[in-house]
Amino acid sequence: GAVVSQHPSWVICKSGTSVKIECRSLDFQATTMFWYRQFPKQSLMLMATSNEGSKATYEQGVEKDKFLINHASLTLSTLTVTSAHPEDSSFYICSARDQMGTSGSYNEQFFGPGTRLTVL
Amino acid sequence: SQQGEEDPQALSIQEGENATMNCSYKTSINNLQWYRQNSGRGLVHLILIRSNEREKHSGRLRVTLDTSKKSSSLLITASRAADTASYFCATDRDDMRFGAGTRLTVKP
Repeated sequence: GAVVSQHPSWVICKSGTSVKIECRSLDFQATTMFWYRQFPKQSLMLMATSNEGSKATYEQGVEKDKFLINHASLTLSTLTVTSAHPEDSSFYICSARDQMGTSGSYNEQFFGPGTRLTVL
Repeated sequence: SQQGEEDPQALSIQEGENATMNCSYKTSINNLQWYRQNSGRGLVHLILIRSNEREKHSGRLRVTLDTSKKSSSLLITASRAADTASYFCATDRDDMRFGAGTRLTVKP
């Protein structure tokens, strides 16, 4: 089956620093990846859609200058949380859509294991 | 924004009983998926039902989809303590959006 990895799996940082999270599709190519955020005891909320070779599309209320997304290749998208603050502490989950069917599951979306960010 | 609502928000049952969770959504979909999540962990994909399907089974799981009512249900039969988790429905169209989730507790 299709595998999506995230790195790191957890990170602790000081307030004011920037943190980069990587999302990789390991055995398929993804022109579109998605970033979600999940606060404790809540559901996953879509933050942005990451498009290979073009700008990301952000959901209403998500600051694009704070959450920088780069999708430079068909297998890698990165989310950078700039000037992180304690309220940014959350579980960040990415997913990748196999629009070319290279995984054998055409157009299905596969989720990474998540990255837990704690900002002190 | 989330796609829809799930009910109940929380469900507590005894081992061996059946658990039914419902999901309603707002827009047209390509498919609907159910996921499980243990506390603090990643998502586990349970089942996908396409918009032209009405019912699907996988082991102890049974999912129904009513596109006219924009609703789906997940039935877990003969529940086990290990089924304790949060369950989310997610609708897939251009992107995937999640319901609020149901926290299921199965008491041994």
